[in-house]
Amino acid sequence: GAVVSQHPSRVICKSGTSVKIECRSLDFQATTMFWYRQFPKQSLMLMATSNEGSKATYEQGVEKDKFLINHASLTLSTLTVTSAHPEDSSFYICSARDRSSGELFFGEGSRLTVL
Amino acid sequence: GDSVTQMEGPVTLSEEAFLTINCTYTATGYPSLFWYVQYPGEGLQLLLKATKADDKGSNKGFEATYRKETTSFHLEKGSVQVSDSAVYFCALKHRNTDKLIFGTGTRLQVFP
Repeated sequence: GAVVSQHPSRVICKSGTSVKIECRSLDFQATTMFWYRQFPKQSLMLMATSNEGSKATYEQGVEKDKFLINHASLTLSTLTVTSAHPEDSSFYICSARDRSSGELFFGEGSRLTVL
Repeated sequence: GDSVTQMEGPVTLSEEAFLTINCTYTATGYPSLFWYVQYPGEGLQLLLKATKADDKGSNKGFEATYRKETTSFHLEKGSVQVSDSAVYFCALKHRNTDKLIFGTGTRLQVFP
């Protein structure tokens, strides 16, 4: 079946640095990708919706300058956590909508730990 | 606002036991309801869905019925297997949006 790959799956960084997480659709084109965040024992929360070639749409309360999203191609979206702080430590999950079928597929998630 | 509430896990069962994972929702209108499953090391996968009241979604022996009167979408399986061990997420979505609203997830552990 269709696969969405996230990289890295785990990352540890120092406070103040920036971290980039990639989300790739491996065997389909995705005009729309979604970024979620999950804290321990809490729901996945939608952070933003990215459309290929245009600016991302952020959910209320999500800082767009903090969480930079780029969707430069039909198979790749990136989330950059800028000037990371320990409170940014979380599990980040992307999903991608198949341009042909409309089906939604999820990545396996990326765990960010900020020291 | 809209929300989804799931029973807190983990749910621990022996193989061939009956499974129920409760899910209730709060939403305006008539959302579509979903169950997603996440196996270890993998992304969430759609398990089943229902788009209107009284619909029953089913897949791989799992079932859930859209109950508008109780605003519930409980997941059931008559006989679980070790391979069903995973995290199960209940979610809702309105028709005019791509936004999925998830519950917290319930971890199921099935032992032989």
